[in-house]
Amino acid sequence: QSALTQPASVSGSPGQSITISCTGTSSDVGGYNYVSWYQQHPGKAPKLMIYDVSNRPSGVSNRFSGSKSGNTASLTISGLQAEDEADYYCSSYTSSSTLKVFGTGTKVTVL
Amino acid sequence: QVQLQESGPGLVKPSETLSLTCAVSGYSISSGYYWGWIRQPPGKGLEWIGSIYHSGSTYYNPSLKSRVTISVDTSKNQFSLKLSSVTAADTAVYYCASGRQLVTETYWGQGTLVTVSS
Repeated sequence: QSALTQPASVSGSPGQSITISCTGTSSDVGGYNYVSWYQQHPGKAPKLMIYDVSNRPSGVSNRFSGSKSGNTASLTISGLQAEDEADYYCSSYTSSSTLKVFGTGTKVTVL
Repeated sequence: QVQLQESGPGLVKPSETLSLTCAVSGYSISSGYYWGWIRQPPGKGLEWIGSIYHSGSTYYNPSLKSRVTISVDTSKNQFSLKLSSVTAADTAVYYCASGRQLVTETYWGQGTLVTVSS
């Protein structure tokens, strides 16, 4: 089971919106609504930002939203802020024996 | 609020067994949730190692399955990871995590770096 494909980096200016893609297959992203997104600041543990494609855990800013179309999931950050600069990882359930797969990770830079 | 704290040796010799424990506070393991381990080699991405349900059912990444054991100790409210026959490729920050779903980690420990070296 290969990792889900994410762009290596995405950047934007404060206040702008950016979108991070996460591409898989019909065996994972496209086949199930079990896509999650995690934010990881340097030297810190990942933090759950989105689960089940588009749900936000309590306490996560509504500037973060998730969606899915076909085999590609997306995380959109609106009103980009300096504190959003971090690495972001998607993950998905997979029907392969692996059960769970992470994305390759995307570094978000706030210009 | 569930809080997790990893503990264990930071240095393991090649071919030996890596053993880590995750202490849980704020929630009783026996009440529910999945309890799992994820690792991250230096400068690289996340890799799911495996999880255990509160009932004892285990789920492992096939790429590590032959070397991994995850267990729960409800009396101490903690769960553990054992990874045998380690090599330098197993050097990573190891995180314990938990959540209501197998595939969603809501709560994370702060992570512990384990280096495999002689």
